[in-house]
Formats: sequence, structure tokens, C-alpha cells
Amino acid sequence: AQRVTQPEKLLSVFKGAPVELKCNYSYSGSPELFWYVQYSRQRLQLLLRHISRESIKGFTADLNKGETSFHLKKPFAQEEDSAMYYCALSRYSSASKIIFGSGTRLSIRP
Amino acid sequence: DVKVTQSSRYLVKRTGEKVFLECVQDMDHENMFWYRQDPGLGLRLIYFSYDVKMKEKGDIPEGYSVSREKKERFSLILESASTNQTSMYLCASSLSAGGEQYFGPGTRLTVT
Repeated sequence: AQRVTQPEKLLSVFKGAPVELKCNYSYSGSPELFWYVQYSRQRLQLLLRHISRESIKGFTADLNKGETSFHLKKPFAQEEDSAMYYCALSRYSSASKIIFGSGTRLSIRP
Repeated sequence: DVKVTQSSRYLVKRTGEKVFLECVQDMDHENMFWYRQDPGLGLRLIYFSYDVKMKEKGDIPEGYSVSREKKERFSLILESASTNQTSMYLCASSLSAGGEQYFGPGTRLTVT
């Protein structure tokens, strides 16, 4: 069965420190992975997707098929990064839905 | 810009009432979704629709039904609201089923 696991419910780091939000998935085929973010009092929105290989707001995420991981990283945290982050997976060549992880709340301390 | 709107931001209903949550998108997307968002549980898919009048059950469809009579509108129906359906409900749409989803602002439903 496909599953997305985010082991940390809450991650608290100091401003300027590196950030890594963990995401592991289980899927035997070729997945497409996403990170979505929800800032306070804003709607959930796409942050980045692995096929675009972009850096958005200083965040990057690399798909590691060997470890079945898609961790989100940022070298220097900023206070405005405080938000709820969801990792998500969809299957290629399928009309199926996206599967979301349970989310990690990132809190940046000044 | 894709716009997904939901009929109410906050809703308070009594146990046993029939509840309608409406969602409208303006980008001609084929696919629409209803989720509930609960702390520690993330987003759980209730139902989705890949075309007008077409629907599929998600992970937690019990106690819910949906209606999609027009492409732009997807309604979630709680046939007989119960207190365990108190939650934040999010609607989303996408051009392709596995592609980027665009979310509405959410409806916080309280069932007393």
C-alpha cells in the first residue's frame, strides 16, 4: 500500500539554523513527490515538486529512491518559514489521488 | 490565478442535521477533491471527482456523500451530522488527478 510518513509532528529550530523536514514513502513504482505548505491563516499551497528540481523560498528536496525519502531542507531558517508542511505522493500514469502525510509543524524561534 | 472558493468559513450545526458544503473553482479543472484536516492526522481524502457526475470514494467516505452536477462545483453532504464530523474541511481542484492541487480556504465545521 502507498503511504507517506512524516515522523515529526513538531520541529522547532532557531532562526539561522539549518532545517530538515523528513518524509519517507512506500510505493513500488515511480512516484511523483510534492511538498505543500500552510502558513498561518492562509490556504494550503504547493511549495515544490520533485520533477521541477527548483529551489523555492530557499527550500530544496531531493528524491532518494534507494531510501524512499523526500526530505525538505533549507540551510538557514527564517521566521517566516514557520508553518505546517505536508509531504505528498502521487503515482505516474494513474488517475489516482494524491496521498498526504500527517504533516510537520515547523516553528522557527527568534 | 486559480480560484477555489468554499461557501462558508465557519459553520455550526446540530447533531442529526443535513449539512451542505459547497466548493467552486474557476479554472475549468477536471478533478475536484474533498478532504478533512485534523491535527495529527493530516489530510484525509473523503471523496473525489474526475468528471461531472463522476465520483470515487476516498479513504474516509462513511457518513458523507457528494454531488457534481456542473464542472465547476463540487458539493459535500453530511447526511446526518455527528459530533465526530467536527473538523476543518478542505476542497481542492487540479487539472490532472495526480498533479498540483489548488485548495480553498477551508470550512471549519462544528457539530454540537
